[in-house]
Amino acid sequence: DTGVSQNPRHKITKRGQNVTFRCDPISEHNRLYWYRQTLGQGPEFLTYFQNEAQLEKSRLLSDRFSAERPKGSFSTLEIQRTEQGDSAMYLCASSFGPPLGQVRSYEQYFGPGTRLTVT
Amino acid sequence: EDQVTQSPEALRLQEGESSSLNCSYTVSGLRGLFWYRQDPGKGPEFLFTLYSAGEEKEKERLKATLTKKESFLHITAPKPEDSATYLCAVQAEAAGNKLTFGGGTRVLVKP
Repeated sequence: DTGVSQNPRHKITKRGQNVTFRCDPISEHNRLYWYRQTLGQGPEFLTYFQNEAQLEKSRLLSDRFSAERPKGSFSTLEIQRTEQGDSAMYLCASSFGPPLGQVRSYEQYFGPGTRLTVT
Repeated sequence: EDQVTQSPEALRLQEGESSSLNCSYTVSGLRGLFWYRQDPGKGPEFLFTLYSAGEEKEKERLKATLTKKESFLHITAPKPEDSATYLCAVQAEAAGNKLTFGGGTRVLVKP
């Protein structure tokens, strides 16, 4: 399967603990995105990378959240000192990025998500 | 701020009963409008991208259309396997590369 993969699929943690999620994008894609989705809502953008550079962060991404994409391949999203409000599905997506100087829109392909429950 | 509103929130259809889902958007310059299908507990699955008003795309029983203010997803003669949440998202010229999603329409097709 050459789609986007995410691990773990489910995570239950106690309030105050740190958690880390991993995303492996489609190998040909240079862009990687993180979104958060709560029940009954559409996904909300958190951050995105082009290769290893983090180019955009949402104001939703508090200082307890940090994302990395070393070497421009897989990415990790860490949440420190988790709170009950962090309970959600964390989705990763990847896409192609346009060549330098070009502006166009590419579809993003999503992984299965990591469901986080903070007790 | 970019906004996407989907209606209705939920739709119950009999098998074979065609219907349309609406996605209204307000963006500062549309770069692309995307439709996704999401099954419970899974990530969104890409369906269509529309770039400009008047554009239409089709896939099996689904057809997506785009105007300057809204998009429609038409489901023709739906089957139970079309039951899912359908999400609409926009990518705005001034918003970098993020997608702004609507709340989705939950579709249930009964046999």
